[in-house]
Amino acid sequence: SQQGEEDPQALSIQEGENATMNCSYKTSINNLQWYRQNSGRGLVHLILIRSNEREKHSGRLRVTLDTSKKSSSLLITASRAADTASYFCATDAGTGRRALTFGSGTRLQVQP
Amino acid sequence: SAVISQKPSRDICQRGTSLTIQCQVDSQVTMMFWYRQQPGQSLTLIATANQGSEATYESGFVIDKFPISRPNLTFSTLTVSNMSPEDSSIYLCSVGRGQAYEQYFGPGTRLTVT
Repeated sequence: SQQGEEDPQALSIQEGENATMNCSYKTSINNLQWYRQNSGRGLVHLILIRSNEREKHSGRLRVTLDTSKKSSSLLITASRAADTASYFCATDAGTGRRALTFGSGTRLQVQP
Repeated sequence: SAVISQKPSRDICQRGTSLTIQCQVDSQVTMMFWYRQQPGQSLTLIATANQGSEATYESGFVIDKFPISRPNLTFSTLTVSNMSPEDSSIYLCSVGRGQAYEQYFGPGTRLTVT
């Protein structure tokens, strides 16, 4: 079953603008991971944030986590046409199961 | 990270037939995971495969329909049996790595059932 929702479902911006995607989840987590998927291909791992972390950066990516609100956000700064893809958050509950539960995804279109 | 390969990358199959998907990892892992991504949808876990034991299936997925093998610590197969058009999806395997257990995915197998 889906852990949670992402919003917006779709986002269209111009190159150079920032893109923000939000993710909500329902249960306690050990970590939350963000992925990118281009045109129905494999998932590329972007960043992992642990439950005891509040913010993490990687290049043009900034991820925040608010465990009290059970939400996370992914910010892509200075977007490029190559950032056009679907973005998914996924939670790891940290139990023996360790499988991920995915959000519904945000489809990002960056116009050149 | 992890290097994961899947075979086949895509296939078109007839209704009623079966397809076996292979997943190969570049180093030994305890757990391997199989996910399904239906068209335009997010990913859903099918099962977790541990070496030496039966796979653990999620609600809505059964062994008769999706038998899984895990003969060693670097390899697994997922079979989609008695296929129908509703089985048309991308099937992905994944493994976890590192202390934080980052999960990495194979390139996926795009299955179309006609």
